[in-house]
Amino acid sequence: QKEVEQDPGPLSVPEGAIVSLNCTYSNSAFQYFMWYRQYSRKGPELLMYTYSSGNKEDGRFTAQVDKSSKYISLFIRDSQPSDSATYLCAMSGTAAGNKLTFGGGTRVLVKP
Amino acid sequence: DGGITQSPKYLFRKEGQNVTLSCEQNLNHDAMYWYRQDPGQGLRLIYYSQIVNDFQKGDIAEGYSVSREKKESFPLTVTSAQKNPTAFYLCASRSVGQSGNTIYFGEGSWLTVV
Repeated sequence: QKEVEQDPGPLSVPEGAIVSLNCTYSNSAFQYFMWYRQYSRKGPELLMYTYSSGNKEDGRFTAQVDKSSKYISLFIRDSQPSDSATYLCAMSGTAAGNKLTFGGGTRVLVKP
Repeated sequence: DGGITQSPKYLFRKEGQNVTLSCEQNLNHDAMYWYRQDPGQGLRLIYYSQIVNDFQKGDIAEGYSVSREKKESFPLTVTSAQKNPTAFYLCASRSVGQSGNTIYFGEGSWLTVV
C-alpha cells in the first residue's frame, strides 16, 4: 500500500462546477500538507499549504485537512477551463530534513 | 526574478551515454532535490541535498549521480547504468529552517533515450 493514495482520474466537470479532490495517507507523523497544480509538460506550482488540521481558503480554492481520518481535500469553486491540469497532493513530517511524499496526482478536465 | 532554472528543456541521449541536467536557483535556498516523473505517475525522489558538499540518496538513486559544490547549483548526471532513463526530471528547492516544508519546482527537463 502506498503511503499517500490519490485517485488518478480523469475527473471531468462542466465549467462553473465545484471540483473536489482528495488524498488519503497512512503516516500519522505527517503535519504539513500541500497541493500542487501541474500543467502538461510543466513543473508543479504550489497552490495551497496547510499545517495540521483545519481549513484554509484562498480565492476559489479551499484546502481541508482531517488528521483524525488521515484525509485531505482540495475544492475548486467556479471551475474554469484554465483549471484543467493534474493536481498533486504532498505531505511531510515536522523535522527540517523531512522529505515530501507525493500522491500520484489527479487529472482534472473542465469542459467549457 | 527569483526562481529555479533547469536546462536543457529537452535532451536526447544515445544508449550508453552519460548526460548531465543542470539546475540553478537564486532563491538562497539551502535544500535542493531531484525528482523523476513518468507519464501518468507521481514524483519519485532521486537525490537530495540539504547543504553544500553533502547529499543523500532518495528512493530511486541507482544509475544517477549528483554534486553540490555551490549552494545555487545541483546538477544531476544520468549515467549509462540507468536502465530506463526516459522521463521528465524535476529539480526543486526549499529553505531549511523556515516553518513548514514547502518546496518549489523548476520547469523540468525531458530526457529521451534514442
